[in-house]
Amino acid sequence: DTAVSQTPKYLVTQMGNDKSIKCEQNLGHDTMYWYKQDSKKFLKIMFSYNNKELIINETVPNRFSPKSPDKAHLNLHINSLELGDSAVYFCASSQDSSATEAFFGQGTRLTVV
Amino acid sequence: AQSVTQLGSHVSVSEGALVLLRCNYSSSVPPYLFWYVQYPNQGLQLLLKYTSAATLVKGINGFEAEFKKSETSFHLTKPSAHMSDAAEYFCAVKGQAGTALIFGKGTTLSVSS
Repeated sequence: DTAVSQTPKYLVTQMGNDKSIKCEQNLGHDTMYWYKQDSKKFLKIMFSYNNKELIINETVPNRFSPKSPDKAHLNLHINSLELGDSAVYFCASSQDSSATEAFFGQGTRLTVV
Repeated sequence: AQSVTQLGSHVSVSEGALVLLRCNYSSSVPPYLFWYVQYPNQGLQLLLKYTSAATLVKGINGFEAEFKKSETSFHLTKPSAHMSDAAEYFCAVKGQAGTALIFGKGTTLSVSS
């Protein structure tokens, strides 16, 4: 069983489209994260939810909207996609917001053309 | 605020040689420090973590790291490189509860035969 799973693994879409990436964890963790890895492999935190509540909201365009229907799921919806949104998006989870270890999904490679 | 600096974006070693990947941190609170590895087209896997217990931390795949407060360093070492160690390595720091992992820019490790 995959602990943190993301779908889809690859996503190619045109500029201006709206797309969603889904993330699910089966570890029973309370906290989930979205990270963006750019073309230079730099990883940056975007959002974090703890028990369905937003606790971290970094400087991200408001075209990006996370949604957590329950503590096992954290989805990322992106409106009006731009070329610069092309990146690998990683979902992660940790036991709680003070936990010292995060478990990462396999990533979703988003390509905007 | 926390940050990490990885010295050297690319390190090349021969198989069997010592691996040394450098990481320096900045933290206003006692830090938790991590090394993650990312294989091509994969997610991030935790190699090891420092959480204020022993300063010498042993991880998976023969890697270890030493926390040196006086030098604000957490360098990763492995006595003998293997071809399978070729990957991207990320140092990360985490502060107090409610914060996320902050990653360095990564170091690409190449291993030649």
